[in-house]
Amino acid sequence: QQQVKQSPQSLIVQKGGISIINCAYENTAFDYFPWYQQFPGKGPALLIAIRPDVSEKKEGRFTISFNKSAKQFSLHIMDSQPGDSATYFCAASIGRRGNEKLTFGTGTRLTIIP
Amino acid sequence: GAVVSQHPSWVICKSGTSVKIECRSLDFQATTMFWYRQFPKQSLMLMATSNEGSKATYEQGVEKDKFLINHASLTLSTLTVTSAHPEDSSFYICSARGHLNYGYTFGSGTRLTVV
Repeated sequence: QQQVKQSPQSLIVQKGGISIINCAYENTAFDYFPWYQQFPGKGPALLIAIRPDVSEKKEGRFTISFNKSAKQFSLHIMDSQPGDSATYFCAASIGRRGNEKLTFGTGTRLTIIP
Repeated sequence: GAVVSQHPSWVICKSGTSVKIECRSLDFQATTMFWYRQFPKQSLMLMATSNEGSKATYEQGVEKDKFLINHASLTLSTLTVTSAHPEDSSFYICSARGHLNYGYTFGSGTRLTVV
């Protein structure tokens, strides 16, 4: 019940296109859903996060869509650029608990080609 | 925004020696620290969770005597890999969380190579 399933494992998108990564969760107690971007040899960096009281959140080219009934959330990267090539992880936690751990998805390796 | 400084960024040590990795929260009080291990092309694997002033809680299968975690202050946590062996070579990452803060801030990671 603690799993977060992420797909696809890898994704190749042309420059200017839309990159879409999907995640599904089981634990309905989760109330914090962040997305992280990780470059090789670096720690994950928070990209955008959403709470379940909204269905969509947009920050620049990055949008999270959240479907509470389906227990799914997705990351959309508009106008994808070569600099977006990285590994993306979705995650979930019971955010209101201070020492609650993040449950990570398995990651998506995104490659943006010219 | 919140910043976590992790040092060293990379370290090479001889088999049998111990290595200490430090994580400092620079502009907030880290009430909870998380330590992760990441293998190539894999997700982050939580090793342990620590609260300031308390003993760390280790995940199943993680040797607490091998991976010593200290969280003595609200701004500093350390991970010491004792008697390191080549199989301990990995990428170690810390993450910190402040009180009543939903966000998790990650350090930049430490590449440990044991030769």
